[in-house]
Amino acid sequence: DIVMTQTPLSLSVTPGQPASISCKSSQSLLHSDGKTYLYWYLQKPGQPPQLLIYEVSNRFSGVPDRFSGSGSGTDFTLKISRVEAEDVGVYYCMQSIQLPPIFGPGTKVDIK
Amino acid sequence: QLQLQESGSGLVKPSQTLSLTCAVSGGSISSGGYSWSWIRQPPGKGLEWIGYIYHSGSTYYNPSLKSRVTISVDRSKNQFSLKLSSVTAADTAVYYCAGGPLAGPFDYWGQGTLVTVSS
Repeated sequence: DIVMTQTPLSLSVTPGQPASISCKSSQSLLHSDGKTYLYWYLQKPGQPPQLLIYEVSNRFSGVPDRFSGSGSGTDFTLKISRVEAEDVGVYYCMQSIQLPPIFGPGTKVDIK
Repeated sequence: QLQLQESGSGLVKPSQTLSLTCAVSGGSISSGGYSWSWIRQPPGKGLEWIGYIYHSGSTYYNPSLKSRVTISVDRSKNQFSLKLSSVTAADTAVYYCAGGPLAGPFDYWGQGTLVTVSS
């Protein structure tokens, strides 16, 4: 199985300040079809995960533009340009280039 | 807008079989291109994908659970189900059903249901 790692595992952010989460995979997530099968989810307290970013850098429907994704191959980053109180929760990256889909361990974000 | 809702027993005895159902509304479970997954999350821990059933009826299970998992679909009721046999306390988790394009992300999630394995 592909191994997904995330850093940091926890992050405390002042509202209005930026935040960045790194995700690394043990194998390239670039498929021969040209797509990179890396996604970002946010799980708010008491809720199921919600899709934020698909294929590295595409915001899912309704996701605010303060969220952005970047990266390639095995190294990826999720950035929040200005953190808001509603952004607290656990952020997961996930790969689906290979079955089974694997989630990263999660990064817990809270507000200072 | 698809909506998914899990239902089933919240308490299962060790060695018995966990059974859950996911009702899909707002769209047909038989729509081409979509897969229907079960994902679980032990209390305070991360997410583990259990398996999926494709609109064609084909299935794929996480190798770590494959010997104990069965996912099936009931097209007449627009729902899919999970059976996990020989459960232990390690199977205690919130179980989510989710839908999304095959090999793609999980676009839609149910609210999750807590299943506790205890005698």
